[in-house]
Amino acid sequence: GNSVTQMEGPVTLSEEAFLTINCTYTATGYPSLFWYVQYPGEGLQLLLKATKADDKGSNKGFEATYRKETTSFHLEKGSVQVSDSAVYFCALYTGGFKTIFGAGTRLFVKA
Amino acid sequence: DGGITQSPKYLFRKEGQNVTLSCEQNLNHDAMYWYRQDPGQGLRLIYYSQIVNDFQKGDIAEGYSVSREKKESFPLTVTSAQKNPTAFYLCATSKPAGLNTEAFFGQGTRLTVV
Repeated sequence: GNSVTQMEGPVTLSEEAFLTINCTYTATGYPSLFWYVQYPGEGLQLLLKATKADDKGSNKGFEATYRKETTSFHLEKGSVQVSDSAVYFCALYTGGFKTIFGAGTRLFVKA
Repeated sequence: DGGITQSPKYLFRKEGQNVTLSCEQNLNHDAMYWYRQDPGQGLRLIYYSQIVNDFQKGDIAEGYSVSREKKESFPLTVTSAQKNPTAFYLCATSKPAGLNTEAFFGQGTRLTVV
């Protein structure tokens, strides 16, 4: 079946450090891939997405590239800020009406 | 503003009570979803609805019920049969299926059993 695996958190970084959050997936067909972010006490909001192999999604300094050969969609940011502290969810969608979410990775950024 | 409104933001339930969580949307999306979020477990799908008067069970439907009488509304009832209801509940919507389909989320309702 379809699934998403994310690196376990929490991830703790100092401000301006480089961020990588790993995400790999298992899916039949050709899924779309997403990263969502959840700030404390709030719902999820879409951060970026990619719909086909080699696509790069980007937003607010975050990037992720859809790698079909390694079934991965790792999230990266060159210089994190305290305001980036949140929980990040990798997700895939293969059609129909169900999105599959990873378990989430909590990020703490220290000033 | 277009969006999804969940209410209340915080809800307390006594043992043996049923409670209903509200979800209203003005995005004109066909599909609506309820997820449960527990610490460290990500999101688990409770119920979803593709169209008015139709809904399907998700992965953890036991102890929950829903209705979809209007396109804009998808209330979730947590019944007394749900033995461990304390969690953060998220309502979401999406447009008709397509590979760009992203989910839009409400702000959530935190339910606590007292």
